[in-house]
Formats: sequence, C-alpha cells, structure tokens
Amino acid sequence: DVKVTQSSRYLVKRTGEKVFLECVQDMDHENMFWYRQDPGLGLRLIYFSYDVKMKEKGDIPEGYSVSREKKERFSLILESASTNQTSMYLCASSLPQGHNEKLFFGSGTQLSVL
Amino acid sequence: RKEVEQDPGPFNVPEGATVAFNCTYSNSASQSFFWYRQDCRKEPKLLMSVYSSGNEDGRFTAQLNRASQYISLLIRDSKLSDSATYLCVVNVDMRFGAGTRLTVKP
Repeated sequence: DVKVTQSSRYLVKRTGEKVFLECVQDMDHENMFWYRQDPGLGLRLIYFSYDVKMKEKGDIPEGYSVSREKKERFSLILESASTNQTSMYLCASSLPQGHNEKLFFGSGTQLSVL
Repeated sequence: RKEVEQDPGPFNVPEGATVAFNCTYSNSASQSFFWYRQDCRKEPKLLMSVYSSGNEDGRFTAQLNRASQYISLLIRDSKLSDSATYLCVVNVDMRFGAGTRLTVKP
C-alpha cells in the first residue's frame, strides 16, 4: 500500500514563528500536493509539484512556500505563521497524469497558530 | 466561478434511499475525474474513478457528462455507514469541490 506520512498529527505554534510541515511518500510518485481544509471551504490547493525541484502555485499560495529537494519529500513552509493559517493541512501524492493519477493522502496535520 | 463546484448539502436521507450528487467543473480540457469519501477527522479516500462511459461499483454509480461539464455520484440503498462527506476531484492539478455532506438516518 502507498504510504504518505506527515510528520506531525497536531502542532501548536505562535504567531510569527517559521513552521515546517513535512510530507514523505514511499511509492516513488512524481506528483505531490499540499492542501488546507477548513470547515465549509473544502480542500484548497496551496502548492503542488510534478517533479523534484519543481513547484507550482495552487489557489492560495500566499504566506506559504514549498521545497522539493528529493522526490519522496515535499515540505510546506509557513515563513511567519499567522492565526489565519490555523487549519488542517493535508499532503497527497499521485502518479503523473494519464497513469491513473488517484491521490493518496497523509493523515493530516492540525496546525493551531496562537 | 470556481473551477469545481458541489452542492454542500447537507443531504439527510433515510436508510434505503437513493441519493445523487453532482459536481460541475469549468475546465473543458479536464480528463480525469474522481469521487472521494471523507469521514469526520479523517483524510479523504478514493471512492471511485469516473470514466467516460460511466461506471458502477456495487451500490455506487458514477457518470460523466462532458457536454454539460459535470460528474455525478448515485448511491442506491443507502446505509448508515454511507454517512460522510463526498468530494469530487478534477484533474489536471487535482482541485477539489467543497464536498457534499451526507447523513443517512435509521
């Protein structure tokens, strides 16, 4: 089974802190994604990557950056955390388009920014 | 207009009912479509892919209407365990609808 592992299930940070959310997948997937999920808003795409060192902005990239130095790891960075970034963050990976590109999700990181 | 739109519901139905959800998309070049199920406080899990010719998996039927740019999910003979949020996903860059909340009641 594909495994997508997010480093923390729950995280509490203070306003202004730099926050790293780590995601690792073990199935050699090219594509990786970061979403945040808020009540009533569904999953919103923050950033995605189709290859190592490649990144594309999603719908809500402001306040975030990402890093993909290795194929299996996709990190989400909050340069200066703010309270409106309190949310559930979900990482996912998939094969490339045209190769049954269903998404496999990590179990999520609930981030609280105080 | 959002790229992917769903009726948020909630849909409250009795056991045994048939219920259908739609999901509209704006990018006519979209090629791959999926339905995911998400239980409370859990990550989404793939329910079924949606093929051009439509596909069925037990009580679940998924259909694609390219002309009107929507996909649908039909659940027959609803079970209590079907209670969840159902999310549609449209490629290329995997954008989700906001999800439709379904509650099946005894």
